[in-house]
Amino acid sequence: DTAVSQTPKYLVTQMGNDKSIKCEQNLGHDTMYWYKQDSKKFLKIMFSYNNKELIINETVPNRFSPKSPDKAHLNLHINSLELGDSAVYFCASSQVPRAGADGELFFGEGSRLTVL
Amino acid sequence: AQSVTQLDSQVPVFEEAPVELRCNYSSSVSVYLFWYVQYPNQGLQLLLKYLSGSTLVESINGFEAEFNKSQTSFHLRKPSVHISDTAEYFCAVSGPGGYNKLIFGAGTRLAVHP
Repeated sequence: DTAVSQTPKYLVTQMGNDKSIKCEQNLGHDTMYWYKQDSKKFLKIMFSYNNKELIINETVPNRFSPKSPDKAHLNLHINSLELGDSAVYFCASSQVPRAGADGELFFGEGSRLTVL
Repeated sequence: AQSVTQLDSQVPVFEEAPVELRCNYSSSVSVYLFWYVQYPNQGLQLLLKYLSGSTLVESINGFEAEFNKSQTSFHLRKPSVHISDTAEYFCAVSGPGGYNKLIFGAGTRLAVHP
């Protein structure tokens, strides 16, 4: 069983379209994340949810909207896609400690989005 | 604000040679430090971490990293690499604010040649 699964793995679409990426984790974790990895492999956090509550919201265009229907799912919807949105989007989950951090994020295999 | 600098974008090395991947961080508060590995077409996996205590931490596959507070570094080393170690390695930092908010460096591509 895959711990953190994302669909689709590949997505090719035209500028201006709207698309969604889905993520599910079966680890029983409380917290989920979306990271964007650009063409130079640089990883940047976008959002995080803890028990369906948005807790991290970095400087991301409001065309990007995360939704967490329950703590096992975190979806990412992108409106009006632009060329610069082309990237690999990684979902991750973590059982966040009560204090401090343990840094253990479990990542999905990524969803490669190509905007033409 | 926290940041991570990985000084080498690519490190080519021959099999069984030693390797060091460099990582420096910047933070005004105490930090937790991590190394993640990304194999081709896969997600990232935690390799090792420093939270507190001994400044030398080890992974199960022979990598080690040493937290050096005075030099704000957390370099990753392995005394003898294998072909299978070929991957992208990311250094990351997290502050005490919780929620495992990790700030990643730009990554170092380790290419092990026979």
